[in-house]
Amino acid sequence: AQSVSQHNHHVILSEAASLELGCNYSYGGTVNLFWYVQYPGQHLQLLLKYFSGDPLVKGIKGFEAEFIKSKFSFNLRKPSVQWSDTAEYFCAASNDYKLSFGAGTTVTVRA
Amino acid sequence: SAVISQKPSRDICQRGTSLTIQCQVDSQVTMMFWYRQQPGQSLTLIATANQGSEATYESGFVIDKFPISRPNLTFSTLTVSNMSPEDSSIYLCSVAAGTGAYEQYFGPGTRLTVT
Repeated sequence: AQSVSQHNHHVILSEAASLELGCNYSYGGTVNLFWYVQYPGQHLQLLLKYFSGDPLVKGIKGFEAEFIKSKFSFNLRKPSVQWSDTAEYFCAASNDYKLSFGAGTTVTVRA
Repeated sequence: SAVISQKPSRDICQRGTSLTIQCQVDSQVTMMFWYRQQPGQSLTLIATANQGSEATYESGFVIDKFPISRPNLTFSTLTVSNMSPEDSSIYLCSVAAGTGAYEQYFGPGTRLTVT
């Protein structure tokens, strides 16, 4: 079975700080990669995805992620966070239709 | 994307009883999935439900405990049977949609507490 690991359990930032969340996956071959976000009291939403092509993908709300095949990584970044980015962030991977999720990273942005 | 609703949104149940969770999608989809999110943990896939075939369960999950129905392309149910406090979790359904149907969109979840 494939596994996904997220480096940080809880990240606390001030507004306007830059954010980078690490994600590594365990399997070779073709892989589909995702970042999901769960805002407080809301359901899980797709933030961005990578299937193939340009390894730098842009998602909603100013987020981007870079796929580095040699490092089996798919790190999420945002240059300047806002208070509204406070949420739980999940990295996920698949090579078929079934998703494997990382443990999640709680991001708290202080005003 | 797809719009997914779940019922109930939350419930408190007695040990030994069963609860059926409904998942409704606003468009026809081939693949639906059921996940469990235990307190403070990530999502774990319970099973894949395709219309017209038996659900496929992941390791550690069995049909007797989590029977699933998929009567049509817009609806599925998950039953949590003979519940114990360890079944207290958020249960989510998702559907495969979007690019090549590899993207998954999630419902709001059902928060289950077993006492």
